[in-house]
Amino acid sequence: DADVTQTPRNRITKTGKRIMLECSQTKGHDRMYWYRQDPGLGLRLIYYSFDVKDINKGEISDGYSVSRQAQAKFSLSLESAIPNQTALYFCATSQQRGTNTGELFFGEGSRLTVL
Amino acid sequence: AQRVTQPEKLLSVFKGAPVELKCNYSYSGSPELFWYVQYSRQRLQLLLRHISRESIKGFTADLNKGETSFHLKKPFAQEEDSAMYYCAAYGYSTLTFGKGTMLLVSP
Repeated sequence: DADVTQTPRNRITKTGKRIMLECSQTKGHDRMYWYRQDPGLGLRLIYYSFDVKDINKGEISDGYSVSRQAQAKFSLSLESAIPNQTALYFCATSQQRGTNTGELFFGEGSRLTVL
Repeated sequence: AQRVTQPEKLLSVFKGAPVELKCNYSYSGSPELFWYVQYSRQRLQLLLRHISRESIKGFTADLNKGETSFHLKKPFAQEEDSAMYYCAAYGYSTLTFGKGTMLLVSP
């Protein structure tokens, strides 16, 4: 089945370390997103990309960077992790055209703990 | 700025009781509205969207543009409906989520 895969699923790191979360998809979708989920705050958009040459900041991009290495790959980096970046991170994809652009397909999430 | 508000963090009901999860939005233009659901240990998934006007797993949601609301309703809750529910609005090429409501259905 076409899917959205995130690695790692769980990661514990220390303050100041560089961390990369990776996302790959076999759905053939052009659009990819990174969200973080915090209890009581819901999902907030970090970055999104509509194709390989297109990168856009979301609501909470400070402290994060992304790379769209290919249509199927979209990675999220924390250059110097801090404890308040402890969260569950989700990658998602969607189609570019038609009536389904608002339907996102999510990965299983990457739980990051920064000590 | 676009905003989606879910006023209840937690909604606890008994099996067989009616359920209404509230959602209000603040958007310029005409956004598309969605409900997403996250069951325990599963990934977030689409439940329904307003343009389809469909019923999924017994849930329905009606868009009320006058009240800018998109409440999710089910006449008789089941234990398997226990999950986190997110209302979301699509506009300006991105999907904005509310903070979510946890629905707990007790036997």
